[in-house]
Amino acid sequence: AAGVIQSPRHLIKEKRETATLKCYPIPRHDTVYWYQQGPGQDPQFLISFYEKMQSDKGSIPDRFSAQQFSDYHSELNMSSLELGDSALYFCASSLQGAFGEQYFGPGTRLTVT
Amino acid sequence: AQKVTQAQTEISVVEKEDVTLDCVYETRDTTYYLFWYKQPPSGELVFLIRRNSFDEQNEISGRYSWNFQKSTSSFNFTITASQVVDSAVYFCALSNNAGNMLTFGGGTRLMVKP
Repeated sequence: AAGVIQSPRHLIKEKRETATLKCYPIPRHDTVYWYQQGPGQDPQFLISFYEKMQSDKGSIPDRFSAQQFSDYHSELNMSSLELGDSALYFCASSLQGAFGEQYFGPGTRLTVT
Repeated sequence: AQKVTQAQTEISVVEKEDVTLDCVYETRDTTYYLFWYKQPPSGELVFLIRRNSFDEQNEISGRYSWNFQKSTSSFNFTITASQVVDSAVYFCALSNNAGNMLTFGGGTRLMVKP
């Protein structure tokens, strides 16, 4: 069965650079979620989209923005990167109304040096 | 506000032992959903189970079982006859009625030694 695809899987950036993470949800899933997991931490919800509209917002810094496109894929744009942004970024997808049954991608490991 | 607490940060057992991972949650919602995810060393999050707040029936799936007790706001996870491949970090999570976001507990690192 098709799963959530995230690219790239690993990314190394320097401070103050920008990064774009991509997420391709499971086919027919209309909702996408982004989570950030710092080293040794639990995943923290950043933002979610349903039918290309932002549906919920969590602890996403103002330096980050995200959107969902007409083909339902989503991109997380991160600017002015800081060392503390180094983390594993997960994308998850679901069908609206599936009440939290989110399927997670493998994650993108971002390292900021 | 929602909160999930996994008091055990790390558990170490010997293969074939049974182990229970504790999860306690707080929510003001009357309808909510509880989850367990497994995160092996490779890093991905693997969905294990979802339980809604109206279904307090315990569930068993192979060596895994879950005990949901609404009266104590707990959703504990038991692995029987543990195996080395069970070594991972296990997260308990809670979603609201709309299911738009998951609140995770701090995770329990389970180490199963041969």
